[in-house]
Amino acid sequence: EIVLTQSPGTLSLSPGERATLSCRATQIIDNNYLAWYQHKPGQAPGLLISDASIRATGIPDRFSGSVSGTDFTLTISRLEPEDFAVYYCQQYGWAPYTFGQGTKLEI
Amino acid sequence: QVHLVESGGGVVQPGRSLRLSCAASGFTFSSYAMLWVRQAPGKGLEWVAIISSDGVNRYYADSVKGRFTISRDNSKNTLFLQMSGLRAEDAALYYCAKRVSPGGTSALVGSWGQGTLVTVSS
Repeated sequence: EIVLTQSPGTLSLSPGERATLSCRATQIIDNNYLAWYQHKPGQAPGLLISDASIRATGIPDRFSGSVSGTDFTLTISRLEPEDFAVYYCQQYGWAPYTFGQGTKLEI
Repeated sequence: QVHLVESGGGVVQPGRSLRLSCAASGFTFSSYAMLWVRQAPGKGLEWVAIISSDGVNRYYADSVKGRFTISRDNSKNTLFLQMSGLRAEDAALYYCAKRVSPGGTSALVGSWGQGTLVTVSS
């Protein structure tokens, strides 16, 4: 089983600042089958990034993903008020399809 | 527009069974793998199970293997999760989810329902 560890657990920033969220896997994820989701209270999660770096349809370009070995990063270049939420990474190539424990991005 | 509506949640005693349903519309249900993902109160997301578009291939998280069964009725555009031997740790909001694109068996989720709440309590 691939375990995903996200850091930090909570990130406190202000609108306009840059956010860097980390997701570390316990082994190489083939084909970089790593996704990022945004989850706001009372709503269903939404797909942001797939294949480690490909933005989903309609996702603004202030969101970007990158990978180096087993380390995956989600960067939000300039935070907007609507970006404050919980972010999860997920490996989706092979069962069990694990999620990270989440990073809460708060003001 | 994709629409996924879960139902069947409620309060159940430990050891009992419950069947969740997910009514799907707005897409060709029979072409997509479908998943269940849950979120326990105050916790993160946990993948539960996935079923291929034709219903042949099914995979489960270790935490539910042998107790939960995922199934689908493509003639009725409905996904199911039969849960038995429920435990306190199964209490969660259960989301029905659709794979992002047709075919394939990866668990990349493109659409989610709003969830149905399962409470396990004596």
